[in-house]
Amino acid sequence: TQLLEQSPQFLSIQEGENLTVYCNSSSVFSSLQWYRQEPGEGPVLLVTVVTGGEVKKLKRLTFQFGDARKDSSLHITAAQPGDTGLYLCAVAAGNTPLVFGKGTRLSVIA
Amino acid sequence: DAGVIQSPRHEVTEMGQEVTLRCKPISGHDYLFWYRQTMMRGLELLIYFNNNVPIDDSGMPEDRFSAKMPNASFSTLKIQPSEPRDSAVYFCASTISRETNIPGNTIYFGEGSWLTVV
Repeated sequence: TQLLEQSPQFLSIQEGENLTVYCNSSSVFSSLQWYRQEPGEGPVLLVTVVTGGEVKKLKRLTFQFGDARKDSSLHITAAQPGDTGLYLCAVAAGNTPLVFGKGTRLSVIA
Repeated sequence: DAGVIQSPRHEVTEMGQEVTLRCKPISGHDYLFWYRQTMMRGLELLIYFNNNVPIDDSGMPEDRFSAKMPNASFSTLKIQPSEPRDSAVYFCASTISRETNIPGNTIYFGEGSWLTVV
């Protein structure tokens, strides 16, 4: 059983469309992170959310932490080909510093 | 500044051979992590070190895998003997202790070592 369930697994959209991807769990976390991994590269941190209900914006990306701190969403407005990549959510769990979901693989077609 | 440096970037080896992956963390970072990434299982933590000491190796799949950190600037992950199911991308990552498990923590990843065992 995965600690973090990400959906959808795969998403292919046209440039200019909006999209939302999700990260869900039955556990409560003190913080949650989103990473983006481009092909052939390692994951790179996008944002950390801490407070239940918190919303953070990074240009066209909007991150929200659920009120109960069990889930999070990432919304991208007017997607561009440069947004293509694997989007991973991650949390600290027990003694493990960072546990990752399996990710959403996004492809934005020009 | 240089990031986390891993070598080799790509390796193809025959089943039964020994594989050694190398990592140089970011200078000043005192936590080092080894992750493995596959399509089926995603990104899995294998082992991590703090101040060169292994803290948790419960993610190491079996005795064929071993990791060492002889000093603050170098770590190895060794697979002996290698098997086709070990084919994956292996990532090394590092961070600094004052940020670990604290909101705002950033773990920095290398570019990965792509291993294919045939």
